[in-house]
Amino acid sequence: GEDVEQSLFLSVREGDSSVINCTYTDSSSTYLYWYKQEPGAGLQLLTYIFSNMDMKQDQRLTVLLNKKDKHLSLRIADTQTGDSAIYFCAESEYGNKLVFGAGTILRVKS
Amino acid sequence: KAGVTQTPRYLIKTRGQQVTLSCSPISGHRSVSWYQQTPGQGLQFLFEYFSETQRNKGNFPGRFSGRQFSNSRSEMNVSTLELGDSALYLCASSKNTGELFFGEGSRLTVL
Repeated sequence: GEDVEQSLFLSVREGDSSVINCTYTDSSSTYLYWYKQEPGAGLQLLTYIFSNMDMKQDQRLTVLLNKKDKHLSLRIADTQTGDSAIYFCAESEYGNKLVFGAGTILRVKS
Repeated sequence: KAGVTQTPRYLIKTRGQQVTLSCSPISGHRSVSWYQQTPGQGLQFLFEYFSETQRNKGNFPGRFSGRQFSNSRSEMNVSTLELGDSALYLCASSKNTGELFFGEGSRLTVL
């Protein structure tokens, strides 16, 4: 079946850029998502990209999509301590049936 | 604008019991989907309802069921609870597809 893979951990210094990477297998994915989860909370939608787009920028967030390599990345500029959380990449198979990666723990050191 | 509301937030049940979780989507949203999050299996899709019809179903046993009402509110039910059903159950709403917003979840503990 479909699979989404992410690196498990990323540590950056406050003020640096963070890049979280994700690969997926379903070439027919319609949307690709990035969610943020803080301890004890639900999932916060950060951004999503339609599969026919290459890039999407929203304030400090930049999403890059390489359909040929099935690679998605999330860049967070000027990373702050409040950005420390788990980040999930997800692809939509059909409708709102999402397949999630295992999540990347982002640790921001001050 | 109110977000996705899930109730109850926390609950404790014993094996063999059944549980019903409720989700109120964002106003105007017709799609409600449910996910289970556990440390071992991560986030897994349970089912999705759109305009009171089940549109998608994940690979969970028949003990897991759901429904959607005419006002788009949704409930999911788990019967004959097992220890492994302990999880955070997340509900998400959307107008149709695309932007998908999650609630804070219902944390179920089965003893």
